[in-house]
Amino acid sequence: DVKVTQSSRYLVKRTGEKVFLECVQDMDHENMFWYRQDPGLGLRLIYFSYDVKMKEKGDIPEGYSVSREKKERFSLILESASTNQTSMYLCASSFTGTRSYEQYFGPGTRLTVT
Amino acid sequence: KQEVTQIPAALSVPEGENLVLNCSFTDSAIYNLQWFRQDPGKGLTSLLLIQSSQREQTSGRLNASLDKSSGRSTLYIAASQPGDSATYLCAVRSNAGNMLTFGGGTRLMVKP
Repeated sequence: DVKVTQSSRYLVKRTGEKVFLECVQDMDHENMFWYRQDPGLGLRLIYFSYDVKMKEKGDIPEGYSVSREKKERFSLILESASTNQTSMYLCASSFTGTRSYEQYFGPGTRLTVT
Repeated sequence: KQEVTQIPAALSVPEGENLVLNCSFTDSAIYNLQWFRQDPGKGLTSLLLIQSSQREQTSGRLNASLDKSSGRSTLYIAASQPGDSATYLCAVRSNAGNMLTFGGGTRLMVKP
């Protein structure tokens, strides 16, 4: 079974702190994604990566950066956390090329910025 | 820009009922469509994926259909159970790239 894990289920940070959210997948997927989910706004894509050291902006990249130094790991970085970044963050991964492209999700990290 | 809509936003049914969840999308140039389940406070679990060349996919009591030309998909749940209570999300992958566009979800409650 595909497994996508996220470093924390719950996280509380202060405004202005630098925050790292980690995601690891064990299926050798090329693509990895970071979403945030908010009531009434649904899931929105922040960034995705299609290969090591490669990244593409999603719909809402402002205030975030990402890092992919190894194929299995994709990090989301909040350079200076703000209260409007309080949200549920979901990581996902998928194959690329001629395979099914089915996305598999991690359990989510509930981040609260105070 | 692709837009995905799910109707209804919420649904409450008695146990044992067969039900249909709807998903519509504005751009028919899709690569595939995926249905997910999400329990409160949890991540998404993939239920079914339909490629653009397929008409339907089945898994147990779930059947998903796709009518690409009309921009519609349905998720049929047979003999619903209280354990089916969750939010169901559909998402489409457009031909242009790897990204998914999600609908707002249908929150399902199955009453014993």
